[in-house]
Amino acid sequence: RKEVEQDPGPFNVPEGATVAFNCTYSNSASQSFFWYRQDCRKEPKLLMSVYSSGNEDGRFTAQLNRASQYISLLIRDSKLSDSATYLCVVNPQSNYQLIWGAGTKLIIKP
Amino acid sequence: DAGVTQSPTHLIKTRGQQVTLRCSPKSGHDTVSWYQQALGQGPQFIFQYYEEEERQRGNFPDRFSGHQFPNYSSELNVNALLLGDSALYLCASSLLAGGNTGANVLTFGAGSRLTVL
Repeated sequence: RKEVEQDPGPFNVPEGATVAFNCTYSNSASQSFFWYRQDCRKEPKLLMSVYSSGNEDGRFTAQLNRASQYISLLIRDSKLSDSATYLCVVNPQSNYQLIWGAGTKLIIKP
Repeated sequence: DAGVTQSPTHLIKTRGQQVTLRCSPKSGHDTVSWYQQALGQGPQFIFQYYEEEERQRGNFPDRFSGHQFPNYSSELNVNALLLGDSALYLCASSLLAGGNTGANVLTFGAGSRLTVL
């Protein structure tokens, strides 16, 4: 089993729709969680950290479910510019190397 | 405020050759991590440098080596290149937090795209 698993997609979603995807992790002691966004042939950029209580940033909402060992990302009112690959990142221990999922590709269609 | 800069942006090598990639961290950052990202995959951690020493290493062979200089910049060296080394090599800098204070937030460079023929 991979340490961090994501559905590779692609998720084809019409503009304005809501889309959600999950990421599962295997290490129950993992401490920090992030969502990064990566545009085609570009570097990853931090989208948001994921906190135990869940957090929201505009149209984006991240949730953490420690019992089931997954994090989720919800995008509301999707825009064409949301088209990208979304990478789930887990930090098994503070200040240690990050473990990355392979990413979920999202395509927003007009 | 300059972000992370990497050079070269693209390069082509042949099997068996050696390559050196360079990274200058974001101003104020003291830690440099290197990642390999193959097409369609997430970044794979190679190693991390702090205070000019390799602090952690991922599951990469000894052909991959690195260095950090007093000004915090870093190099990644790969010897005896294989076709499978073709990838985007990402450098990320961060400020090392002490203790268990939580997350490190990385700033990535645009990467060096290596093609091995």
